[in-house]
Amino acid sequence: EPEVTQTPSHQVTQMGQEVILRCVPISNHLYFYWYRQILGQKVEFLVSFYNNEISEKSEIFDDQFSVERPDGSNFTLKIRSTKLEDSAMYFCASRSPETEAFFGQGTRLTVV
Amino acid sequence: GQNIDQPTEMTATEGAIVQINCTYQTSGFNGLFWYQQHAGEAPTFLSYNVLDGLEEKGRFSSFLSRSKGYSYLLLKELQMKDSASYLCAVRYNTDKLIFGTGTRLQVFP
Repeated sequence: EPEVTQTPSHQVTQMGQEVILRCVPISNHLYFYWYRQILGQKVEFLVSFYNNEISEKSEIFDDQFSVERPDGSNFTLKIRSTKLEDSAMYFCASRSPETEAFFGQGTRLTVV
Repeated sequence: GQNIDQPTEMTATEGAIVQINCTYQTSGFNGLFWYQQHAGEAPTFLSYNVLDGLEEKGRFSSFLSRSKGYSYLLLKELQMKDSASYLCAVRYNTDKLIFGTGTRLQVFP
């Protein structure tokens, strides 16, 4: 069964460092998303991406965040200068026009 | 805001039936999803409702009343592996999903 894959599964970084979280969406999907879940809290929308551009972003997705689809398969989330409060599980999701969103297994980001 | 409300925790016995409720604000509603999430794992899709009524999928069913801003997820013949968090998520006018805090279900033998 096709699945969304994310790497790495766990990333530890020092405050102020840049991190790039990587995702390979399902191959025929056109809509891509990043969500995050702080430990013990609800899943929160960060950004949606379609046709090579951001279609919507939340208040959380400030200037420190960026997304990119560098080639035909990868979809990345970059955090330029990480803060302690960026520690969370980051989920990538994708969907086609006819389907629900499929989520990847997540990257647990720990900022120390 | 677009608050999604669901109970924080529920418990049930193996073999029993449990109903998890979700209420949401109706303005701009464009579909409701239920996801299952085991601890430390990704949400996995269970069901989708956009019209009023009941959608049945094996042991799981989901109901929607758009006028009341209300949905429930019904789990029958509970198994130990059903212990997980159940997330209610609503799509409004845009494409993003707004999630509730999730209901943590514990199934006991």
